[in-house]
Amino acid sequence: EVQLVESGGGLVQPGGSLRLSCAASGFTFSSYWMHWVRQAPGKGLVWVSRINSAGLSTTYADSVQGRFTISRDNAKNTLYLQMNSLRAEDSAVYYCAREESVSQQPDLWGQGTLVTVSS
Amino acid sequence: EIVLTQSPGTLSLSPGERATLSCRASQSVYRSYLAWFQQKPGQAPRLLIYGASSRATGIPDRFSGSGSETDFTLTISRLEPEDFAVYYCQQYGNSPRTFGQGTKVEIK
Repeated sequence: EVQLVESGGGLVQPGGSLRLSCAASGFTFSSYWMHWVRQAPGKGLVWVSRINSAGLSTTYADSVQGRFTISRDNAKNTLYLQMNSLRAEDSAVYYCAREESVSQQPDLWGQGTLVTVSS
Repeated sequence: EIVLTQSPGTLSLSPGERATLSCRASQSVYRSYLAWFQQKPGQAPRLLIYGASSRATGIPDRFSGSGSETDFTLTISRLEPEDFAVYYCQQYGNSPRTFGQGTKVEIK
């Protein structure tokens, strides 16, 4: 089955760190660019980060630049998001998504993992 | 970064009516790289339109996109019951990518 499954979310204190994982299956993970997108409960979508298929090129939203790091392990078919210096405003459901090459847009999404930053 | 402003915030319409959603960018979107997504409660977003006017795979032709530079529009020609949802625009021509705040299309 073609799917993305996120994990690693949870409760963390302000200033803390968390690493999210996204396990891909059913397709050739190493051929696709990947994204992280987040959504606070009841709020809108926020694009977070993107990485190319080889893992050599990355881009970030201004709000997470310098605090978050996207990476991937193509041998393990897994995407990561290392989140440091977390703030309350980073609390959200984090989705990983696969980018389709023609549209340059996500065509496959995970179910999301909830991150809550609170003391 | 480019700020996208969607209007209206909420659109109250009846099935069969036409819906017109607006997305305005704070600066010109490179090559009209503007996408529209639909999101229903508890679900991940679904791509409707990319490149301002190209329908994604499997999207019905009642959905259409238009516009360029800073002004873009999503039109749903005749609302079906399953179209009541939140719609987001996203620009991807300029880094970083950014989303609009969303327009909710609700049943009147």
